[in-house]
Formats: sequence, structure tokens, C-alpha cells
Amino acid sequence: DQQVKQNSPSLSVQEGRISILNCDYTNSMFDYFLWYKKYPAEGPTFLISISSIKDKNEDGRFTVFLNKSAKHLSLHIVPSQPGDSAVYFCAASDSGAGSYQLTFGKGTKLSVIP
Amino acid sequence: KAGVTQTPRYLIKTRGQQVTLSCSPISGHRSVSWYQQTPGQGLQFLFEYFSETQRNKGNFPGRFSGRQFSNSRSEMNVSTLELGDSALYLCASSWAQGGSYNEQFFGPGTRLTVL
Repeated sequence: DQQVKQNSPSLSVQEGRISILNCDYTNSMFDYFLWYKKYPAEGPTFLISISSIKDKNEDGRFTVFLNKSAKHLSLHIVPSQPGDSAVYFCAASDSGAGSYQLTFGKGTKLSVIP
Repeated sequence: KAGVTQTPRYLIKTRGQQVTLSCSPISGHRSVSWYQQTPGQGLQFLFEYFSETQRNKGNFPGRFSGRQFSNSRSEMNVSTLELGDSALYLCASSWAQGGSYNEQFFGPGTRLTVL
């Protein structure tokens, strides 16, 4: 039972264009969402997060949108750069559970083509 | 500030053996979580420790265990290794005392290969 789903295993985008990575979740108790970026042979690096009390959070070229009614979030990268090529993981947390457990999606491999 | 460190980075074991992996969190962080990453299953939560107490455990068999020391360093142990235990084991630390702030910082991982 996958509670966090990233339905696109891969995505290719031209340099300078927008990259949109999508994530769906099923557990309505999730109230905090994070995006991580991972290069091969390295641990995931935190990118951006959003609390369920917001519907948008922006940090430089990265914006995360949350649609609670649809249980859907997306990460927008504008403009995309070749250095953004990596695997992106969506993660969710239930802050009321008394634990910092993160539930991850299986990732989307982003390739930014120069 | 130094990041999360994990030792060893690479490990090769044979079936039936046991293994211990180590994680040193970022200074001041009291929460340490462990995750297993495999190509088929993605990142799966193993367990979390906070102030030397296990607060949560994922859906893994009892062969997987862990502990946390008073300096917040953590170890995880896998006994009676199976081929399917081959994976990247990631440790993450967090400073949040509670509430919704839940950013975790990951180490580079330990690549375990079971032959």
C-alpha cells in the first residue's frame, strides 16, 4: 500500500524551461510535505517543504504547490538547469504521530537537456 | 557545521552474517532515523530514535535493530543477513523538538552488499 506516489519515473526537460514534478498521497493524516533531490552515491538533499496550512511555498527557482482536497502536490523548477538533473523524491509526514518518520515516493528522475 | 556522517561507506558480507552500521548526526540534533533504499521499493523507513528511545519502527523483521547513545550517535544492526538486505542504508538527523517542522538531513549512506 503506497501512501505516497510519484507516477512518473522519469522526466526530460529542455534547459531554461519549467520542470513540473508531481506527487499524490493517500493518507489524510499527512500534514507536512518535503521534496528531496538525490544524486547517485549521495544521500538525499532537502530542497523545499510545505505545511498543510499553506498551498504554496517558494524558494528561489523552486516552488511547491499543495492541493489538499486532491491530495496532490507538485514541485516547479523554473528555469531548469542541467545541474538540476537528479532523482527527486516527494516525502510526507504526520506531525501528530510523535515521530519524524517520512514516507517517501519512489522518485522521479529528472534530466535537463542543455 | 559538519553534516551527517555514516561509516562504513561500503560493506560486503555473506548470507548469515551480521552487520553493524554507524551514524553520527549533526551536532545538536537529537533525532536519528534510518531508511533502506532499494531499486524496487525506494526509501523505506526502518526506525527513529530520539533521546536514546526508539519512537517508531517501520515494517521490517526483528533482524533489524538499532540503538542510540547519549551523544545522539546511532547504530543499526542486521543479523542473519539475507540477499534481499543488499541496499543503501541512509541515516537522517533532525533538530526539531516537536510540532510540524520536520526537515531531516541525510548522510551519504552505507552501501551493503550481501553475497
